[in-house]
Amino acid sequence: GAVVSQHPSWVICKSGTSVKIECRSLDFQATTMFWYRQFPKQSLMLMATSNEGSKATYEQGVEKDKFLINHASLTLSTLTVTSAHPEDSSFYICSGDGAGVNEQFFGPGTRLTVL
Amino acid sequence: AQTVTQSQPEMSVQEAETVTLSCTYDTSESDYYLFWYKQPPSRQMILVIRQEAYKQQNATENRFSVNFQKAAKSFSLKISDSQLGDAAMYFCAYVGNTGKLIFGQGTTLQVKP
Repeated sequence: GAVVSQHPSWVICKSGTSVKIECRSLDFQATTMFWYRQFPKQSLMLMATSNEGSKATYEQGVEKDKFLINHASLTLSTLTVTSAHPEDSSFYICSGDGAGVNEQFFGPGTRLTVL
Repeated sequence: AQTVTQSQPEMSVQEAETVTLSCTYDTSESDYYLFWYKQPPSRQMILVIRQEAYKQQNATENRFSVNFQKAAKSFSLKISDSQLGDAAMYFCAYVGNTGKLIFGQGTTLQVKP
């Protein structure tokens, strides 16, 4: 099956700093990538959708200046949390949409802790 | 707007027994896909089963099967011969014309030995 990786799997940072999370599709080209946020024991909340070479589309209530998304190639998307604060601490998951397949392939997630 | 509802926050089943997880959805679209995902403690999302709305036949994957009732907008998951490794959070999800997955609230399944 299609594999998506995320790096890092776990990161701790100080309040006010920025953190970049990478999402890579290893064996397929992801025309569209999605970024989700998940709090403990809750469902996945879609943050944004990005298409290769285009600006990301953010869901209502998600600050686009805080959560910068870049989808520079068909195999790489990045999420940068800028000026992170403790309330940004969460589990971030990316997924890639394989062309021609109505299915998203999920990365293993990144746990962000902001001190 | 489309919505997905899982009304069972927690379920419990004895090992080797059968359990059914409920899911209802609301949509005005005619073409869509439905999924059940499993999220174990590792938090890796794993696709369990998918159903195309235009197919009347219920999808089956080994011990996992669905009961897809399109008119009632119901999509339940049946797990037969439950195993300890089935313990996880299960999410029902919908995708339609937007390509965005809409998830239900999730059901935590406990499997008792």
